[in-house]
Amino acid sequence: GAVVSQHPSWVICKSGTSVKIECRSLDFQATTMFWYRQFPKQSLMLMATSNEGSKATYEQGVEKDKFLINHASLTLSTLTVTSAHPEDSSFYICSAPGVEYRLDSPLHFGNGTRLTVT
Amino acid sequence: DAKTTQPPSMDCAEGRAANLPCNHSTISGNEYVYWYRQIHSQGPQYIIHGLKNNETNEMASLIITEDRKSSTLILPHATLRDTAVYYCIVTTSGTYKYIFGTGTRLKVLA
Repeated sequence: GAVVSQHPSWVICKSGTSVKIECRSLDFQATTMFWYRQFPKQSLMLMATSNEGSKATYEQGVEKDKFLINHASLTLSTLTVTSAHPEDSSFYICSAPGVEYRLDSPLHFGNGTRLTVT
Repeated sequence: DAKTTQPPSMDCAEGRAANLPCNHSTISGNEYVYWYRQIHSQGPQYIIHGLKNNETNEMASLIITEDRKSSTLILPHATLRDTAVYYCIVTTSGTYKYIFGTGTRLKVLA
């Protein structure tokens, strides 16, 4: 089945530094990927849609300059949290449609990246 | 806002069927029902989806009412490893903008 891989699975960084999270589709191509954020004991919130070859689209309230998204190839999207602060500590999860030519194809999710900013 | 409502928690005895309900009374004709589960500190795992017919796969069965306003996910023989938060999502096919509600925390008891 469709596998989405995220790296790293966890990262600790100091306040003010930037962190890059990678999301790869391992056995399929994904022109579109989605980034979610999940705070403890809360549900997943969609942050942005990553589009291969074009700019990402961000959900309302998500700062595009803080969460930089690059979808450089059909199998890789990256999320960079710039100038991270403790309030950015969260669980970041990416996803991609498994079979894009099927309109009802479900999203497949990576295993997430736990970011802790100290 | 999520288009679905689910009970916040449920318990189920190991080996018994777990029936997880979901209300989606405002679902429109071209919207599918998707079910996922999330085990602690992992990404959501796809379980099953359907439009109007009942569906079954190796993991579960999905029963959708005739008016499509509600559905039930059935795990036929729950195991301890099925303990997770289960999310029911309604979305138009091809949009992929999943809006997650609060889900149902299922606890399978030994």
